Amino acid sequence: GAVVSQHPSWVICKSGTSVKIECRSLDFQATTMFWYRQFPKQSLMLMATSNEGSKATYEQGVEKDKFLINHASLTLSTLTVTSAHPEDSSFYICSARGDGGANVLTFGAGSRLTVL
Amino acid sequence: AQKITQTQPGMFVQEKEAVTLDCTYDTSDQSYGLFWYKQPSSGEMIFLIYQGSYDEQNATEGRYSLNFQKARKSANLVISASQLGDSAMYFCAMREAFSGNTPLVFGKGTRLSVIA
Repeated sequence: GAVVSQHPSWVICKSGTSVKIECRSLDFQATTMFWYRQFPKQSLMLMATSNEGSKATYEQGVEKDKFLINHASLTLSTLTVTSAHPEDSSFYICSARGDGGANVLTFGAGSRLTVL
Repeated sequence: AQKITQTQPGMFVQEKEAVTLDCTYDTSDQSYGLFWYKQPSSGEMIFLIYQGSYDEQNATEGRYSLNFQKARKSANLVISASQLGDSAMYFCAMREAFSGNTPLVFGKGTRLSVIA
């Protein structure tokens, strides 16, 4: 089945630094990946749609200069939180659709970011 | 307007009993998919079951079944013979414009607690 690997699982950083989160499709090609953010005890909120070889599409209210998304290959999308602040602390999770026209989106295990 | 509504913030069920988690949705698309995901405390999103808008029969996957009532726009999840390991957050989600690479939109979730 489709497997999505996300790294790192946990990251703690100082305020003002940048953090990169990787999302890889291990056994399929993903032309589109989706990035979600989940605050404690809340639902998953779509941040952006990542398209291979083109600019990401951001949801309303998500700062594209703060959350840089790069989808340079068919198996890798990265989310970089630039100049992180404590309010950026959250659970970030990516998902991708398996090939062959699969209906189900497969999720990575998520990355828990804590900004001190 | 909310696309996915889950009205039960929390539910309790006795071990070995069945439980129904409610979900209603709102869409004007004819082609859409409805999904249920389980999120344990580890944070990973585990796919449980899927129902296509054109599927005439209710989906079933082991102990999970989806009670799909299209006219009412509801897609309730039924878990039979509950187990302690079923304790988790459960999210109902929808993908509209199903033929394209559209993201999942999630409800707020229901926290299920299974009691021994």
